[in-house]
This record gives sequence, C-alpha cells and structure tokens, in this order.
Amino acid sequence: EAQVTQNPRYLITVTGKKLTVTCSQNMNHEYMSWYRQDPGLGLRQIYYSMNVEVTDKGDVPEGYKVSRKEKRNFPLILESPSPNQTSLYFCASTPQPGQGARGYTFGSGTRLTVV
Amino acid sequence: GNSVTQMEGPVTLSEEAFLTINCTYTATGYPSLFWYVQYPGEGLQLLLKATKADDKGSNKGFEATYRKETTSFHLEKGSVQVSDSAVYFCALSLMQGAQKLVFGQGTRLTINP
Repeated sequence: EAQVTQNPRYLITVTGKKLTVTCSQNMNHEYMSWYRQDPGLGLRQIYYSMNVEVTDKGDVPEGYKVSRKEKRNFPLILESPSPNQTSLYFCASTPQPGQGARGYTFGSGTRLTVV
Repeated sequence: GNSVTQMEGPVTLSEEAFLTINCTYTATGYPSLFWYVQYPGEGLQLLLKATKADDKGSNKGFEATYRKETTSFHLEKGSVQVSDSAVYFCALSLMQGAQKLVFGQGTRLTINP
C-alpha cells in the first residue's frame, strides 16, 4: 500500500530534550515536506526537500532541522524543543509539486506536546 | 503573496442538506487548486483537485470548479451525510518558489442526523 508513515503518533516531552519525528514514504517520491497544524492557522510549511541532499526552509523553519540522506526518509529534528512547538505535525510527499501535481500524500500526523 | 481564504466555521448542517464551503485565493502565476479532508484523528486526504481555469474536480459527490475570473474554488455537495463530518482545507500549489501547498485555515463541518 502506498503511504507516508510517521512515528510516533503521540509524543509528550520536556523543554530542551532533543527529539526526532520520523517520516518514510514507499512511493519513490522526490518531493517531501513537513507541516505543522495549529488551530485557526491551517497548515504551515516547516521545511521541504526536492530530492536527496536538497532541503530548504518553508514558512516557519525556526527551531527545526531536517535531513534527506535517502529518498524515502525525511526526519524532522527538534534540537531543543520549546512549548510553542506544541502542535500537530504532518509529513507529506508528492512526485511532482506545483502545477499539474497529482496531489500530496500525507502521513497520519504526530501530536507533539512540549511541557 | 500567495494565500487562501476559506469561509469561517464551524458549519453545522442537517443530513441531506446542500453544502457550500467558500474558498478564494490570491496567487502569482497559475496555481493548481485542491480540497483536502481531515476526518477525526486522521491525516489529510486529497478530496479533489483542478489544475487549470474552468476545470471541475469531483469525488464522493463533492464538486469544485476553478474560477479564474473570481479566483475561487468553492466546494459543494448536493446532499450531505453524517459521514461527511470532518475538517475541509482548501489549498493551492505553485511550481515557482518554495514548491509548497498553501492552505486555508480549514472549515469544520458537522452533519447532524
């Protein structure tokens, strides 16, 4: 089954404790992206990657890092989480972003709480 | 800049009612337009899309037409069901720039039996 898999689904952590949210897709998509979802704000892009070793900032990159060492994996790293990073996070992938896109496939989400 | 504006929710309807969720956009260039649906506790799923002016996307009884003259992509369904209760997001995508989906704020829809 074609899918984007995120782990964990739920995470409660303390301020300053480094964490990684994993994302893996099995569709050989070149483009992957991370979003955070906050009430009243919709989804906002954190980082994206056009291909292996090619990453760039989205709209809200502060406090986050990503890496793309393999095509299928795109982990999101919070080096020193803070309470304002409490949010619902989604990973997404697509074979072709922009016009004519076949749509993005989203993971099931990771609900992160930083206390 | 590029942005998407959706009608504010929440929206509550009775089963079999007619649904419209308004969506307008601002974009530099010619975007593709999408509606995504998020059921409780789940991720986003693509509901329908349109890639050029006057295209109509449709799926599961939902429809939306890409109107370039009014920069709109309103979602409609003739007869809603309880199972349609979800949050609906309008989004656009451009080839230029950050290569991202730009989302509206989402509209929560509740259908009562």
